[in-house]
Amino acid sequence: DAKTTQPTSMDCAEGRAANLPCNHSTISGNEYVYWYRQIHSQGPQYIIHGLKNNETNEMASLIITEDRKSSTLILPHATLRDTAVYYCIVRVARYNLFFGTGTRLTVIP
Amino acid sequence: DAGVIQSPRHEVTEMGQEVTLRCKPISGHDYLFWYRQTMMRGLELLIYFNNNVPIDDSGMPEDRFSAKMPNASFSTLKIQPSEPRDSAVYFCASSLAGRAKPYEQYFGPGTRLTVT
Repeated sequence: DAKTTQPTSMDCAEGRAANLPCNHSTISGNEYVYWYRQIHSQGPQYIIHGLKNNETNEMASLIITEDRKSSTLILPHATLRDTAVYYCIVRVARYNLFFGTGTRLTVIP
Repeated sequence: DAGVIQSPRHEVTEMGQEVTLRCKPISGHDYLFWYRQTMMRGLELLIYFNNNVPIDDSGMPEDRFSAKMPNASFSTLKIQPSEPRDSAVYFCASSLAGRAKPYEQYFGPGTRLTVT
């Protein structure tokens, strides 16, 4: 199973783009990259996923490098409500999402 | 859609008592998952169902834990007897079938269980 490495914490100014990196150097060819976040005292929230191509939805953009060994989640205009722990997840067999420790993003006013 | 619904939101019970947690998944979803979150161990998958059938319960910690899904709109996680180490937040999640869809899971607000 591919493992991921994320920074423990990051700060971002309100209104600026938040770029959250993730390394997954052992990812295999058919494994997706999923991003979730967990706001304090809430359940995890699905954000986005991708395989090879960059993806964008109403919440964020996902940029995956050509060799697929790393990715970046981009929140284009961070707000205070984006303060959360962000998890980069590579699919684990049998539908188990291994959340790891994630990156604690703090959006600063 | 109302999203995944869990009840109760908070449960405080004494050691040895039976605890039942309830979940209503998003209508039309094919998969249902039960997770447990603690500070020490993070989020752990306990069990998941596909079309109401339990597929993998390898994460269930002990025989004290059991889960059922009698129909597509309801699932329970039962702990009998409960112990203080079962104190955690229990999340239910659901998802659709499809190539990557089971990993696109939608979580409920969780049940915070405290066993004294």
